[in-house]
Amino acid sequence: KAGVTQTPRYLIKTRGQQVTLSCSPISGHRSVSWYQQTPGQGLQFLFEYFSETQRNKGNFPGRFSGRQFSNSRSEMNVSTLELGDSALYLCASSRTGGGSPLHFGNGTRLTVT
Amino acid sequence: GIQVEQSPPDLILQEGANSTLRCNFSDSVNNLQWFHQNPWGQLINLFYIPSGTKQNGRLSATTVATERYSLLYISSSQTTDSGVYFCAVSQGGSEKLVFGKGTKLTVNP
Repeated sequence: KAGVTQTPRYLIKTRGQQVTLSCSPISGHRSVSWYQQTPGQGLQFLFEYFSETQRNKGNFPGRFSGRQFSNSRSEMNVSTLELGDSALYLCASSRTGGGSPLHFGNGTRLTVT
Repeated sequence: GIQVEQSPPDLILQEGANSTLRCNFSDSVNNLQWFHQNPWGQLINLFYIPSGTKQNGRLSATTVATERYSLLYISSSQTTDSGVYFCAVSQGGSEKLVFGKGTKLTVNP
């Protein structure tokens, strides 16, 4: 069974640009969540989607948005990039959301210059 | 919000040694998971353990929900066990996990 797949693995963007990251969950998993990891703040929750609906959102500005498609694949978008957005962005999926193990992808490392 | 504290922050072992990692949380939870992040950044789920005890090979975990802590035991450590171990919790059946700062484990040959 394929794991959680994230694309691209690495991304370099300039301040002010926008970026879209993609995530394909494990087959059969309906919940997808996104996390940001930085050396200073650690792992922080961004948002969670279940059956195309956003169920939870973390404490991030509106520049961070996401969506989930009918096939459970998810994308997150960051607009007007800032230097502080440089981070490892991790996508995770679970079968039911909240009551089952969370499985992470390898992440997208975003560098903003 | 809920606070998660992990100890120790750093741990250095010789191959073959045993260790215990601790996770304390400030409020009741119904979701607790342990993860291992390897040196390449990959985050692997070790246990989903909101309560009770589980074992998987050389690793085992115990969560005492009423006392708000969880323990991860690593026996006969190997160099491949190196990395950062995270505890994460959530409330209310959501996937909004709150992570601790992690325990960085280094296993020397």
